Amino acid sequence: EPEVTQTPSHQVTQMGQEVILRCVPISNHLYFYWYRQILGQKVEFLVSFYNNEISEKSEIFDDQFSVERPDGSNFTLKIRSTKLEDSAMYFCASTPRGAPNYGYTFGSGTRLTVV
Amino acid sequence: AQKITQTQPGMFVQEKEAVTLDCTYDTSDQSYGLFWYKQPSSGEMIFLIYQGSYDEQNATEGRYSLNFQKARKSANLVISASQLGDSAMYFCAMREGVTSYDKVIFGPGTSLSVIP
Repeated sequence: EPEVTQTPSHQVTQMGQEVILRCVPISNHLYFYWYRQILGQKVEFLVSFYNNEISEKSEIFDDQFSVERPDGSNFTLKIRSTKLEDSAMYFCASTPRGAPNYGYTFGSGTRLTVV
Repeated sequence: AQKITQTQPGMFVQEKEAVTLDCTYDTSDQSYGLFWYKQPSSGEMIFLIYQGSYDEQNATEGRYSLNFQKARKSANLVISASQLGDSAMYFCAMREGVTSYDKVIFGPGTSLSVIP
């Protein structure tokens, strides 16, 4: 079964450093998302991406965050200058076109730890 | 204001029994979708079931069914014949609108423990 792949599975970074989280969505999917889940808490929407541009972003997704689809297969989330409160599990998700009843396919997540 | 409410932070159920996980939602849209996801301790998010706001019948997927009461704005998940592997966090979620790319927002989750 096709899957969304995220790398790395766990990343530890120093506060103030830049991190790039990588995702390879399912190949025929057209809509891409990043969510985050602070340990033990709810899953929060960060950003949606379609047709090479951001469709919607939450207030969490401030100027420190950016997304990109550099080569037609990878979908990346960059955090420019990490803060301690960015420590969370980050999930990438994708969904195909024209299927409103289609639940997202989530990747297995990247656990980001900022020290 | 909370869009998705899950009032049961933790639930226990005996193996082989049925369990209902509660979810209420708040929207002024006429068109929306409701989802349930399972998150085992390994952390991945697994899509379980979907109910559209215009679907007249309750959704079912194997041992999962969604008890949709539109007037009450509730979308409870029923798991029949619980198994030990059902122990996990369960999230109710909603997409407002009918387009595929509308974002999905999640409730706070219910932790389910299945007791042998």
